Amino acid sequence: GAGVSQSPSNKVTEKGKDVELRCDPISGHTALYWYRQSLGQGLEFLIYFQGNSAPDKSGLPSDRFSAERTGGSVSTLTIQRTQQEDSAVYLCASSTQGARQPQHFGDGTRLSIL
Amino acid sequence: AQSVTQLGSHVSVSEGALVLLRCNYSSSVPPYLFWYVQYPNQGLQLLLKYTSAATLVKGINGFEAEFKKSETSFHLTKPSAHMSDAAEYFCAVRNRDDKIIFGKGTRLHILP
Repeated sequence: GAGVSQSPSNKVTEKGKDVELRCDPISGHTALYWYRQSLGQGLEFLIYFQGNSAPDKSGLPSDRFSAERTGGSVSTLTIQRTQQEDSAVYLCASSTQGARQPQHFGDGTRLSIL
Repeated sequence: AQSVTQLGSHVSVSEGALVLLRCNYSSSVPPYLFWYVQYPNQGLQLLLKYTSAATLVKGINGFEAEFKKSETSFHLTKPSAHMSDAAEYFCAVRNRDDKIIFGKGTRLHILP
């Protein structure tokens, strides 16, 4: 497709389980971002990939969170030993290189931890 | 460090009335500024962006925003609200090398 694709769209899991969230960016976009959006809150930056540079992981809330980007394209956000406070919508965005370029967002994955 | 402040987490306007959503930014260098809209169960869509060209920027759906350096503001306006404008709106700032920073959002309610 032409846009950013995220899967699954919804994920319900039990506390303590690991989850993987997937993001397919727009083809040719070198930058990829993950955000977390909790109910009634703004966007919390998690991690940023730009080309082959080392990712900016400064927003990851704990060592239970990790992300990788394979081949400069698809990215996976992994949350280990999930907690109830991890329940949120996880948004992925991609953009071409350059600060003036806007981000293009996927529809997000709604994660619910029981 | 850069930051964004959106005044008012909720704004209500009557259908046909002026929409004004406020955004103030803090940046040590001339920034790039963006407004995004988020409809329920969707990601964010770009409404408009300021990238140091014209200070009055026109976007989609009849929205526009004016960059005022002296006031460090980038308020979003629309002359006449429509029911379909009900959504959450996010202002964002980005310096040339930094990641983008979003405001906490303003939920716009349209009253019939």
